Amino acid sequence: GESVGLHLPTLSVQEGDNSIINCAYSNSASDYFIWYKQESGKGPQFIIDIRSNMDKRQGQRVTVLLNKTVKHLSLQIAATQPGDSAVYFCAENFNTDKLIFGTGTRLQVFP
Amino acid sequence: SQTIHQWPATLVQPVGSPLSLECTVEGTSNPNLYWYRQAAGRGLQLLFYSVGIGQISSEVPQNLSASRPQDRQFILSSKKLLLSDSGFYLCACARDSETQYFGPGTRLLVL
Repeated sequence: GESVGLHLPTLSVQEGDNSIINCAYSNSASDYFIWYKQESGKGPQFIIDIRSNMDKRQGQRVTVLLNKTVKHLSLQIAATQPGDSAVYFCAENFNTDKLIFGTGTRLQVFP
Repeated sequence: SQTIHQWPATLVQPVGSPLSLECTVEGTSNPNLYWYRQAAGRGLQLLFYSVGIGQISSEVPQNLSASRPQDRQFILSSKKLLLSDSGFYLCACARDSETQYFGPGTRLLVL
C-alpha cells in the first residue's frame, strides 16, 4: 500500500491529557473502519471499530469519530497513560477481503 | 475467540538461504488468512492472502511465496532470501472478511 514507504508522524502528549489521533481514509465507499494499536515488537492489536452508518462509537477510554463528508476518522484516548504509547493504525474496508491501512501515528506519552 | 501462533519469533538467515515461516490459528474455522511485512518504523504491506485451502492471492511481485495446506495453517516461503527480505512478518486472521486479528510476528534478519 501507499503507506508502506512513509515515516510515521508522531504525537507527543502529557500523561493524563486526552489524545486525538487522526486518519484520512481513501475510499468514500468504505463502510467499515478499525483502529489498531501496535506496541514495539508486537503484532497490531484491535482497539475499536465503527461502521459507516454511525458517527461515533465509544469503548473503554477510547472514542472513534467518523466524518464521512471529509473521509476522516479519529481516535480519542481519554486520560492518556504511559501504557498507551504505541503506533496507532487506522484501517478501512469496502466490501472486500482486504483492509487498507493508514500510515500510522506514533503516540508518545511523557510524564 | 481465535488465537494466532507464529514461529519462529526471531530468525537470522544468510542471503541465499531458504525460508519457511509458519502461522497457525486456533478457535475458528475457514478463516481468511493474511501475510504482511513491516519494515522498521513503517506501515503494513500486504504480501499474500488466502480465503481457503490452496487458494492464494499475491499482492506484490517478490521473492516470496505462500501456501495454505490446511484450513488453519498458512506458510510463507522463499527459495533464496535477499537482504531486502528482512523485516517483521505478521500473520493475520479474519473470520468475517472484515476484522483482522494479528499474530505476534516473526522478526527476520537476512545477513
